[in-house]
Amino acid sequence: DAGITQSPRHKVTETGTPVTLRCHQTENHRYMYWYRQDPGHGLRLIHYSYGVKDTDKGEVSDGYSVSRSKTEDFLLTLESATSSQTSVYFCAISVEQGNQPQHFGDGTRLSIL
Amino acid sequence: GESVGLHLPTLSVQEGDNSIINCAYSNSASDYFIWYKQESGKGPQFIIDIRSNMDKRQGQRVTVLLNKTVKHLSLQIAATQPGDSAVYFCAERTGANSKLTFGKGITLSVRP
Repeated sequence: DAGITQSPRHKVTETGTPVTLRCHQTENHRYMYWYRQDPGHGLRLIHYSYGVKDTDKGEVSDGYSVSRSKTEDFLLTLESATSSQTSVYFCAISVEQGNQPQHFGDGTRLSIL
Repeated sequence: GESVGLHLPTLSVQEGDNSIINCAYSNSASDYFIWYKQESGKGPQFIIDIRSNMDKRQGQRVTVLLNKTVKHLSLQIAATQPGDSAVYFCAERTGANSKLTFGKGITLSVRP
């Protein structure tokens, strides 16, 4: 299994509170991604990173920010959580973008009440 | 909207039979495809990939077929086992440096 650890694995919080999810990798891969997975949708890309301090938006980036200060860590922040952000969040890593498979962590289940 | 989709939401097969899971894609420029397996409470697990310059690729008990003429991708699982029960979905890449687009998934249920 790819060395990807997501924390926390589960979180329940209230609307309006800030939330930060962490993804930690031990593979030294250049690319890291944050996705959300919701019923009726495929995985949707929130943000991705192509190196330390290099990030870009995905298709559902509104309401989310990310940071990557070290190769191994990629943080996803919900500045002010809303109920529509209740979802399962997955981090993925890859050596290259698009021409190599992405490998996923086991997800964070986030509930916003 | 989704450019990767699966024909059937659920598939039930008898243990020991072969399974075929299908995926249609809409973008003829897609050049790289991946199949993932996702078990309950887990993240997607890479199964096999194929590039558009190939029609077929085999792994351990799995085969992926790519038909570019009709934009169709399939995953064949030989001698399906209870441990194969999971959600399967395909992903495609369209063009260099493009991100992956994921299908919604199909549930494979293996009957003992």
